[in-house]
Amino acid sequence: QTVVTQEPSFSVSPGGTVTLTCGLSSGSVSTSYYPSWYKQTPGQAPRTLIYNTNTRSSGVPDRFSGSILGNKAALTITGAQADDESNYYCVLYLDSAFWVFGGGTTLTVL
Amino acid sequence: EVQLVESGGGLVQPGGSRRLSCAASGFTFSGSWMHWVRQAPGKGLVWVSRINNDGSNTIYADSVKGRFISSRDNAKNTLSLQMNSLRVEDTAVYYCIRGRGFGEFDWGQGTLVTVSS
Repeated sequence: QTVVTQEPSFSVSPGGTVTLTCGLSSGSVSTSYYPSWYKQTPGQAPRTLIYNTNTRSSGVPDRFSGSILGNKAALTITGAQADDESNYYCVLYLDSAFWVFGGGTTLTVL
Repeated sequence: EVQLVESGGGLVQPGGSRRLSCAASGFTFSGSWMHWVRQAPGKGLVWVSRINNDGSNTIYADSVKGRFISSRDNAKNTLSLQMNSLRVEDTAVYYCIRGRGFGEFDWGQGTLVTVSS
């Protein structure tokens, strides 16, 4: 069974840049998997940040960007702010049928 | 404004059944593919199922296949999830999601289902 991998945790300094990644237990992530990213603060529903690799959802600041880096999808946050401290999830569209989420990355801004 | 309001959560015994509903508004429901995603307490997101716009095609995660049934009533703008043979590990917040395509999801606020004796 294919597993979608994410770093369990990451930290970034205020104003800094951080790149979170989304990989596969076997194989490489490509744009054909439509990698997408969601932000969730505790107690709240997730919201879409990036979809289809690098398209920002409506209202998402351009500090957030998506890409493919090597064999993984990536979410880069530039100029990190305190309210970026959240859980971030990626999802991949596998076997042209199923969406599979990664385990999530807890981002700390300190 | 897109609104997705889930209902039907609560406490259910192992082996029991529960039906969740999602009332949709603010978009063309009959033209949208819909999903269910769940999140166990303190855990990550897990995709559960997808139904196409007219309800003729559904697909499920292996963990719920054969136990859960997703359906929709386009006349009432309502999505449903019938959950049967519930297990303790099905305990989660269940989110109703509108899929806009390519991973762009609109999320409801979720409803908590607790499976416990």
